[in-house]
Amino acid sequence: EIVLTQSPATLSLSPGERATLSCRASQSVSSYLAWYQQKPGQAPRLLIYDASNRATGIPARFSGSGSGTDFTLTISSLEPEDFAVYYCQQRSNWPLTWTFGQGTKVEIK
Amino acid sequence: EVQLVESGGGLVQPGGSLRLSCAASGFTFSSYWMHWVRQAPGKGLVWVSRINSDGSSTSYADSVKGRFTISRDNAKNTLYLQMNSLRAEDTAVYYCARATLRHNWFDPWGQGTLVTVSS
Repeated sequence: EIVLTQSPATLSLSPGERATLSCRASQSVSSYLAWYQQKPGQAPRLLIYDASNRATGIPARFSGSGSGTDFTLTISSLEPEDFAVYYCQQRSNWPLTWTFGQGTKVEIK
Repeated sequence: EVQLVESGGGLVQPGGSLRLSCAASGFTFSSYWMHWVRQAPGKGLVWVSRINSDGSSTSYADSVKGRFTISRDNAKNTLYLQMNSLRAEDTAVYYCARATLRHNWFDPWGQGTLVTVSS
């Protein structure tokens, strides 16, 4: 089973700053990685799919990069609405299952 | 507008059963795989189960295999999760999510329904 490890657990930043979130897979997942944003009391929202593609309606300040085992979600300049928890996710083909990282909380400093 | 609305959550005793529903609208339900994901209070996301577009293929997380059954009724645009032999550790908000047509990412998600397993 592939394990996803996100770091840091918490990121304390101010609005306007750049956020860099990491997701490391225990074995290669190629580019089969997605990122989700979850705000308190809300359902998760797809941000990035296939490691680097923004989902529909996602602002350009969100970008994803990486392949293999190391992935990064970057928020170029934090807006007040970006303070939330972010999860990475991978899909395994055999067996066909999906796993999430434990999440990174981006909080206001 | 694509919409997913879960229902059926509630309080159930350990060992009991519950059936969750997810009503879909705004898209051709029968064309998409669907998923259930859960989130225990204050914890992260855990994938639970998936079903293909015609209901002929399913898969489950090890933690629920043999206890939970995913199904769908394409005529009613509804996804189900039958949960049996419930345990305290099954307490969570359960979300349904539509799979993207390419590579099976989860988009969008429903608002979730809370299942509490307690005596």
